Amino acid sequence: AQSVTQLGSHVSVSEGALVLLRCNYSSSVPPYLFWYVQYPNQGLQLLLKYTSAATLVKGINGFEAEFKKSETSFHLTKPSAHMSDAAEYFCAVSDNTDKLIFGTGTRLQVFP
Amino acid sequence: NAGVTQTPKFRVLKTGQSMTLLCAQDMNHEYMYWYRQDPGMGLRLIHYSVGEGTTAKGEVPDGYNVSRLKKQNFLLGLESAAPSQTSVYFCASSYGWVSEQYFGPGTRLTVT
Repeated sequence: AQSVTQLGSHVSVSEGALVLLRCNYSSSVPPYLFWYVQYPNQGLQLLLKYTSAATLVKGINGFEAEFKKSETSFHLTKPSAHMSDAAEYFCAVSDNTDKLIFGTGTRLQVFP
Repeated sequence: NAGVTQTPKFRVLKTGQSMTLLCAQDMNHEYMYWYRQDPGMGLRLIHYSVGEGTTAKGEVPDGYNVSRLKKQNFLLGLESAAPSQTSVYFCASSYGWVSEQYFGPGTRLTVT
């Protein structure tokens, strides 16, 4: 059965610092992996997705994620945090079914 | 394009009451989904549909029913609301199962 684990329910960084949000997955087949972002009182929107092409995936707003099969990870990074990045981030996995399985989310706080 | 819209935005129900949440999309998407979001639990799939006239159970279907009579609409029903159904409900749609899911703004439901 597929599953997603997001380590750290809250992450705090200073503006300009590196952002690293962790995601590990479990899947019996090569997965499709996604990162979504949710701003306060809004629905989720797609940041980026991995579909077995390049292992380094670039998304919107300067975010990127690297698929590492040996580590079963798909961590999200951004070199320099901005105040507007404060939001909740969800990792999700699909293993050839009609559904996505979402992680429990990581809330990112950015301090000036 | 309005994208994905949800009606209503807020609702308070008493235990045992019934209600229907409406989701509409104008992107001609085949797939539609209903999720609930609870603190610390991420998004959990309630029911989904892979096309007009089809529905399937997700991770947490008990206490909910759905219908997809028209391609653009996906209805979520609560026949006898319980306090455990207090949550924020999100609808989403996509072209296919590995495509980006587009989310509505959510419905905040409180059952007292």
